[in-house]
Amino acid sequence: AQKVTQAQTEISVVEKEDVTLDCVYETRDTTYYLFWYKQPPSGELVFLIRRNSFDEQNEISGRYSWNFQKSTSSFNFTITASQVVDSAVYFCALTHYNQGGKLIFGQGTELSVKP
Amino acid sequence: GAVVSQHPSWVICKSGTSVKIECRSLDFQATTMFWYRQFPKKSLMLMATSNEGSKATYEQGVEKDKFLINHASLTLSTLTVTSAHPEDSSFYICSASDFGKITYNEQFFGPGTRLTVL
Repeated sequence: AQKVTQAQTEISVVEKEDVTLDCVYETRDTTYYLFWYKQPPSGELVFLIRRNSFDEQNEISGRYSWNFQKSTSSFNFTITASQVVDSAVYFCALTHYNQGGKLIFGQGTELSVKP
Repeated sequence: GAVVSQHPSWVICKSGTSVKIECRSLDFQATTMFWYRQFPKKSLMLMATSNEGSKATYEQGVEKDKFLINHASLTLSTLTVTSAHPEDSSFYICSASDFGKITYNEQFFGPGTRLTVL
């Protein structure tokens, strides 16, 4: 079974706080890709990162960082010093190497950053 | 980066009419396009996968006669919601990929189309 779980439905923080969005996945395949997308109120999905299953190196991009741990099947996303513009719904997604690119999305986490 | 457009961005129609939504890859040739549906405050649900020149593959539970998908060229796929009813009101998002030429296994998403059926 393939599944992506984002247990946090909604998170509310005050500007400048750090926030971590959790993502746990289930798969039997050894070759897969994980993604994070941001969906602001306008609705358009914004690609944030892609990780393949053989690359467990953590990544940092500005205020964003990702922690991929195969041992716990998790791919968590941290925003440092959050800003109001970070308010959006964030989706974690999974696809397999040989599944023609079908994405399995988590339920999404709605992040609200208050000034 | 690769750009995908959708038209219209929003549409309101009467119950019983059909609505066509276009998805175009503007600067690359998309061998595969995907159609998703998203209800308010919900996740994206894959409806179907379409490959250029062949019939779409629908996910379980999606009515193929209701949601007609055509992928006639490498840059255009259309989704037609036939005899639309209020329960078809939703946000429809397409994505496109060339699987290999740009970035393997990456999809580029359109901005979405909000359909409201009265």
